Amino acid sequence: SQQGEEDPQALSIQEGENATMNCSYKTSINNLQWYRQNSGRGLVHLILIRSNEREKHSGRLRVTLDTSKKSSSLLITASRAADTASYFCAPFTNAGKSTFGDGTTLTVKP
Amino acid sequence: DTAVSQTPKYLVTQMGNDKSIKCEQNLGHDTMYWYKQDSKKFLKIMFSYNNKELIINETVPNRFSPKSPDKAHLNLHINSLELGDSAVYFCASSLRTNTGELFFGEGSRLTVL
Repeated sequence: SQQGEEDPQALSIQEGENATMNCSYKTSINNLQWYRQNSGRGLVHLILIRSNEREKHSGRLRVTLDTSKKSSSLLITASRAADTASYFCAPFTNAGKSTFGDGTTLTVKP
Repeated sequence: DTAVSQTPKYLVTQMGNDKSIKCEQNLGHDTMYWYKQDSKKFLKIMFSYNNKELIINETVPNRFSPKSPDKAHLNLHINSLELGDSAVYFCASSLRTNTGELFFGEGSRLTVL
């Protein structure tokens, strides 16, 4: 199945700074989704971008998708301590299959 | 009201035992999933059911048997547990297959001793 690979593995920033995480995948997709996971909790959906879209915004989140490079990025602006979590990308095929990567661990220091 | 609930949250058992994890969703979704998250946080799909029918079955040992009595429930039974089965198992649901957003349960941490 399709797997997303996040980069970097870990990111540490100060509150108020922006955080950028990248995702690469290998085959054609129907859509790509980003999720957040707080320690010991389930994953929470953040944003979905379809294969025919290039950019999407939701609050402080901005996602881009480049299907020619098979890559996506998630930008969190004006980060807060509460944004500390692991972030996963999930590229979905038309068959509905996806395997998440091992995520980017974001630490936002107050 | 919890949207996707799984029980038990923690499960500690001996090698060779058989155990089950239950999942229920009250969102009216057609599609349900089981994912396995290993110690490195790598999250891999195991199974997917759409309206009680199996639609995705990844390369999973046949000791793992999902059962969907109705579209709101997807249970996971594991026979002859092995050390490598220790992981966090997540149930998820979506409105339909391919429609996007997955709603995840809080996970069931299985430890095999």
